[in-house]
Amino acid sequence: AQTVTQSQPEMSVQEAETVTLSCTYDTSESDYYLFWYKQPPSRQMILVIRQEAYKQQNATENRFSVNFQKAAKSFSLKISDSQLGDAAMYFCAYSEAGNMLTFGGGTRLMVKP
Amino acid sequence: DTGVSQDPRHKITKRGQNVTFRCDPISEHNRLYWYRQTLGQGPEFLTYFQNEAQLEKSRLLSDRFSAERPKGSFSTLEIQRTEQGDSAMYLCASSYRNRGWGYTFGSGTRLTVV
Repeated sequence: AQTVTQSQPEMSVQEAETVTLSCTYDTSESDYYLFWYKQPPSRQMILVIRQEAYKQQNATENRFSVNFQKAAKSFSLKISDSQLGDAAMYFCAYSEAGNMLTFGGGTRLMVKP
Repeated sequence: DTGVSQDPRHKITKRGQNVTFRCDPISEHNRLYWYRQTLGQGPEFLTYFQNEAQLEKSRLLSDRFSAERPKGSFSTLEIQRTEQGDSAMYLCASSYRNRGWGYTFGSGTRLTVV
């Protein structure tokens, strides 16, 4: 079974600084999708960024970018110019072509003003 | 696109009672998923549908849990004889293949069993 591991239960960053959240996963498949979701307190899960495994180019969405290392099975999220609104739980997730998502345990990001 | 809707948002029930939750996916999404999330943890997969067919169920889905998607549109998740351990957030998501798979989540139903 696929597993997703987030080794940082909590991270803290100063406003306007850059932070990187780590994620590793285990799979024997070659075609899959990786995601980062943001979940603010008591609010719904919001997609931050998505990466298709067949694409070598790392995905970027404004201040958010990923470092996808397929051979190492690593998928980290970099948040640049951190803002107070970025404070939330961040979940890394894996799926294969529309099948269910497998989530990591989450990283709580705190942003200090 | 009105997003994924879940009803109710909160449910408090006594142990042993039955509860039913509803999820309305995005209309053009043919896949619908149910997850359970406890405080401070990542969501755990329960089951998913493609149209009206239930394609996969997690071993977490005991005999007390049943899910349906009768016409391939909305879905219901029923928990019979609730236990305190069922207290959690129940999340619904839907997806559609459009330039790659994307998943949209609802706001969830928070169940408290007392």
